[in-house]
Formats: sequence, structure tokens, C-alpha cells
Amino acid sequence: EVQLVQSGAEVKKPGESLKISCKGSGYSFNTYWIGWVRQMPGKGLEWIGVIFPGDSDLRYSPSFQGQVTISVDKSINTAYLQWTSLKDSDSAIYYCVRPATVYQKYDAFDIWGQGTMVTVSS
Amino acid sequence: QLVLTQSPSASASLGASVKLTCTLSRGHSRYAIAWHQQQPEKGPRFLMKVNSDGSHTKGGGIPDRFSGSSSGAEHYLTISSLQSEDEADYYCQTWGTGIRVVFGGGTKLTVL
Repeated sequence: EVQLVQSGAEVKKPGESLKISCKGSGYSFNTYWIGWVRQMPGKGLEWIGVIFPGDSDLRYSPSFQGQVTISVDKSINTAYLQWTSLKDSDSAIYYCVRPATVYQKYDAFDIWGQGTMVTVSS
Repeated sequence: QLVLTQSPSASASLGASVKLTCTLSRGHSRYAIAWHQQQPEKGPRFLMKVNSDGSHTKGGGIPDRFSGSSSGAEHYLTISSLQSEDEADYYCQTWGTGIRVVFGGGTKLTVL
């Protein structure tokens, strides 16, 4: 079964750092880009960016460039989303996603992780 | 800039059919889209990809009650024989080298 399994919920204070993870299985991890999507409380979906595990090629949404860092460790089929200094406004559910077509950075997202809830509060 | 427009809400009766619309902004009518379903308190699930010619490819396990079509800049998700579990938010998504990835604002479907 093709799946993306994300790390568990996090509760952090403003200013703290955080790295959440997404492990792919059931498919050739190194041949599909993998991305991240944010959903703030009660709001819609926002695309953050995408990375290619094969060579760590990256694309960010202009709205998130400089605010987060996407990385990957292809040896363990895992992608990451990290913050160096969290803000209250980073509180959201973060989903990892897989574009449907091999080697395509932009495509329909046919696989979704279960989501990681991040709560930032003093 | 490409914008996807969805009605914020829709409703239909149990057992009836409903047609949700996702409209591409002017000049972008040839883009394919995807539909995703998000049931209450759950993560999104891929329903289907709808090409600009109206052909569509569904995700695994998606019932035949769900179908997609398009006409020009408008893409449609039709759900027939509505069931209570179809009550959810429905998002459209599009993509491309110049636009990267864009989501519509979502439609909240209520099954009466």
C-alpha cells in the first residue's frame, strides 16, 4: 500500500524550533517529488513547497519562502518540514503530499499523509 | 495569477445528486484540476483528476457515485445518490510550471 506516515502532534512555544517528518512507503520514494500543505484552523489548503528526494531539488511557494525549510533523507524515505523560530501563526495542521506522476513536481496530489497538528502557544 | 473559485457552501438531500463547481480564472481554462474530499475532523483524500477535455481519473476506492467533467473554464464534481458520509469539504486544486500549485477555497457540502 502506498502511504505517507507523518510524525505526531507537537505543542511548542513561540521562538522554539521544530522539525516534523513524513515517511513514504509502498512506492519508489526517490522518483516522486514530495510536498507540504498547510491548513490553518477552520481554513482551506495552502501549498508550501515540494522537494525531489533524488537530488533534493526544491521549490517553495513565495508565501512560505524563508519561513520554513523543506528537506529530505532519501536513505530512510523521509521528508521534513522545519522551523527555526515558531510563531503563534504557525499553528496549523501540516500535510505531506505526493504528486501523482513520477518526476513531476507539479501534479494532482494523489497521496496525502494523515497530518501533523502543530500548536504554538505561550 | 490563476485563481480557483468555489462556492463556499452547497446542500442537497440524502439520495439526491449535487454538482459542485470549480472555476478557473480568465485565461487559464486549459488547466487540469483535481478534486479532494475532506470529511469532518479528517485529512483530505484525493477523489479524481479532471483534464481540460473532461476526461477524469479517479483515486483508488472512490465510488462510481463520484464523477468529474468540465466545460471551458468550469470543472464539475457530481455526486449522485448522496449519502451522509458525503457531507464534507471539497477542494479543487490545479498546478503548472508557472503557477506552481493552487487550491480553491473549498465548498462545504451539507447533506440534508
